[in-house]
Amino acid sequence: DSGVTQTPKHLITATGQRVTLRCSPRSGDLSVYWYQQSLDQGLQFLIQYYNGEERAKGNILERFSAQQFPDLHSELNLSSLELGDSALYFCASSVSQVGSPLHFGNGTRLTVT
Amino acid sequence: AQTVTQSQPEMSVQEAETVTLSCTYDTSENNYYLFWYKQPPSRQMILVIRQEAYKQQNATENRFSVNFQKAAKSFSLKISDSQLGDTAMYFCAYSNQAGTALIFGKGTTLSVSS
Repeated sequence: DSGVTQTPKHLITATGQRVTLRCSPRSGDLSVYWYQQSLDQGLQFLIQYYNGEERAKGNILERFSAQQFPDLHSELNLSSLELGDSALYFCASSVSQVGSPLHFGNGTRLTVT
Repeated sequence: AQTVTQSQPEMSVQEAETVTLSCTYDTSENNYYLFWYKQPPSRQMILVIRQEAYKQQNATENRFSVNFQKAAKSFSLKISDSQLGDTAMYFCAYSNQAGTALIFGKGTTLSVSS
């Protein structure tokens, strides 16, 4: 158990809808990262937060947004969903920014129909 | 931009044998961090090993060891005495000195058979 909690585990929704994925980092970790893993792609970095502030952006679509709250949990919002958004979405956390390994949650499997 | 390349999409090995997974990366930085992660069929991402670029000594964790060649920008993972439970996809990852997110390679699927 990595200590990172992601909910829900599975999500099935229709095109055009909006969903929210939730992540609680390990106790003491200030950094939260979101990754997308599609079948034919590796792990694509979406966005990083550190202690409530956005620190880095990767290949995150404009239809996607995220935030980290004062209690350090994070939410990833996906809107106007398309079939191609179907993927496994991982949240990871780390204790500091530089050189620390990321600890991953079990992921949220999103299926867009 | 930094990139990570894993040139072996799939590999297979027999139980108790040794296998080496390749990884190369591209960076202009001198200090950075490298990782290997394992993703078994459960899809959980599990840290296998970590290497700091400024350390010459290769990292080792039980049956897992790395061959870090900084000049060649190579970071291979050696698994000794392979076990069925090692069957998984293995990802090589890079993190820069600024500590931004890990950049992952596309992965190598390893199958261990009896």
